[in-house]
Amino acid sequence: GEDVEQSLFLSVREGDSSVINCTYTDSSSTYLYWYKQEPGAGLQLLTYIFSNMDMKQDQRLTVLLNKKDKHLSLRIADTQTGDSAIYFCAESILDSGYALNFGKGTSLLVTP
Amino acid sequence: GAVVSQHPSRVICKSGTSVKIECRSLDFQATTMFWYRQFPKQSLMLMATSNEGSKATYEQGVEKDKFLINHASLTLSTLTVTSAHPEDSSFYICSASDEPGLGETQYFGPGTRLLVL
Repeated sequence: GEDVEQSLFLSVREGDSSVINCTYTDSSSTYLYWYKQEPGAGLQLLTYIFSNMDMKQDQRLTVLLNKKDKHLSLRIADTQTGDSAIYFCAESILDSGYALNFGKGTSLLVTP
Repeated sequence: GAVVSQHPSRVICKSGTSVKIECRSLDFQATTMFWYRQFPKQSLMLMATSNEGSKATYEQGVEKDKFLINHASLTLSTLTVTSAHPEDSSFYICSASDEPGLGETQYFGPGTRLLVL
């Protein structure tokens, strides 16, 4: 599919907030997702947002959706070293039976 | 949440051999299963979508004769990499869903790491 764009790297200090940005492609996507992948591991669903919402908060995670600009962001409050991982945003694609089109991933490094 | 397993988790094989990867939904019936491939330091790319009892739909550029997908039951889909070559070495991840398109109803397996020598 077309590219879902993410910045490749982000480095933050422990305790700070992290904001990972994503631009998606399909305006008809019903759901948008954030996944976390630790080295050598599978995907962990962090959160998702329905396309008619503009914000969703789940404990330390806040998702913002700007549907007009097709922009999605994930904010992690009070970032911890255990949050170091690769974060993928993904959109559901109706034409592929709601398979997911993933971004290239943002590698988050949290330093003490 | 629902559990999806994959077997094997890792496999090393010689070039030219075929490798079968299983994807099972353990506590729900998956009408749709998806197969993705992830090369090192890259994103997941959709290979194919399979619905139980019908032929898989392959993405452009994915050879259907090389990557055979069978979804014979509502809890099992298999991906067979035929005549594997080193360039097929990758991380293969399946996902299963009973209601595609609805929020968190797509569950990912832990992945299978394939190394072809």
